This record gives sequence, C-alpha cells and structure tokens, in this order.
Amino acid sequence: GIQVEQSPPDLILQEGANSTLRCNFSDSVNNLQWFHQNPWGQLINLFYIPSGTKQNGRLSATTVATERYSLLYISSSQTTDSGVYFCAVLNNAGGTSYGKLTFGQGTILTVHP
Amino acid sequence: DAMVIQNPRYQVTQFGKPVTLSCSQTLNHNVMYWYQQKSSQAPKLLFHYYDKDFNNEADTPDNFQSRRPNTSFCFLDIRSPGLGDAAMYLCATSIRGGTVEKLFFGSGTQLSVL
Repeated sequence: GIQVEQSPPDLILQEGANSTLRCNFSDSVNNLQWFHQNPWGQLINLFYIPSGTKQNGRLSATTVATERYSLLYISSSQTTDSGVYFCAVLNNAGGTSYGKLTFGQGTILTVHP
Repeated sequence: DAMVIQNPRYQVTQFGKPVTLSCSQTLNHNVMYWYQQKSSQAPKLLFHYYDKDFNNEADTPDNFQSRRPNTSFCFLDIRSPGLGDAAMYLCATSIRGGTVEKLFFGSGTQLSVL
C-alpha cells in the first residue's frame, strides 16, 4: 500500500510565526486531504488538494503530484492552530479503494502565546 | 448547520460488556465510515457503508460490527470490549460518485474499558 510520511513529527512555535508541514507519499494519488485534529479530538478537513495550490485565510497548501509531496503552510500562527495535522492520501483510480484513505502519522503543532 | 454528530462524547464500559456508539449526519452523504484512533496514532479505518453496502476492512476484528438503518444513522457495536479497544472512535461521511471524495468527521467518542 501507499506509504505516507509527515515531517516534522513535532513543531513548537511562538504565536505569529510561520511554518511549513510536509507530506511525502510513495505512489501516485488522486485524493489528498489535510486535516487538523484539535485538542478535543475532532478532525477538521482543511484542504482537498490532490494537485495544485489552494489558500484559505492564513492556511495554504500545495501538492506537487509528480514529485509525490504536499506542503501545508501556516502563516501568523495562533494558539488555536495547536493540535495534530494529518495528511491522508488515496489512489482510487481502479474504483475499488474508495474511502480507504491512508493517513500519515501526523505533525504535532504547539503554538505558545 | 449540516454536520456529523457522535454520541456520547465519552463512553465508559466494562470489560466484556457490549457497547454501542452512534453517529448521525445531516449532510445526506451516501458513505459513512468508522475509524479507530488510539493515543498518538493515526486514524485506522474499521469499515464503511456505501449506501446499504457494508465494506469491512480485512484486519477489523470480528468483535466490531456496524449497522446503518437509514441514510442518516450509523452504529458501531463492540460485542465484547477488551482493554485494547479503548480508543477514540471517529465517524466520517462523504459523497461518493463525483470527482471529489472529501471526508467530514464527527467530534468522536472516547471509549474507556474498565
């Protein structure tokens, strides 16, 4: 199956700093999603981004599918950005793997005031 | 607001005592998933329903069952919980059939087994 590696595993920031989280994957994908798991456990879908670049407020993401990686950028970080960021991927071109997202191990982000 | 709702938020059960976790959705999505997430680990897919079709993952223990009586509700039944089943259980939904399958998660049920 597809292997997903996220880096760094842990990241500590001061409020206002910028950061880049990386997701490498071992095979071609046609579904890639970034999630934020808040301290209460809920997973929030940040981006659906199998390729290209998207922005949503202080967050943006870029996926370079040909080179098998995706980046999540957080600018002007806030304490509410703390939590775990997961990258999850899928290749369902064959039509048999719907929904079977493979998650990376996550990046634990802590933003201090 | 349309959403995925899980109840209860925290569930405590005894070793071997059956327990049921519930999930409901107002998104009218045709797919509902159950994930298990243990501490400091990534979510692990247990099974999912595509409409009424049940799809079990090969490594999901027989102890775990699921029911989807209608589009809006899905239940996770653990027949004889063991200590190793203590985890966060996450329900998610998506729409299958278009070009984008984006998952929406509920807030989870944290299960403790005593």
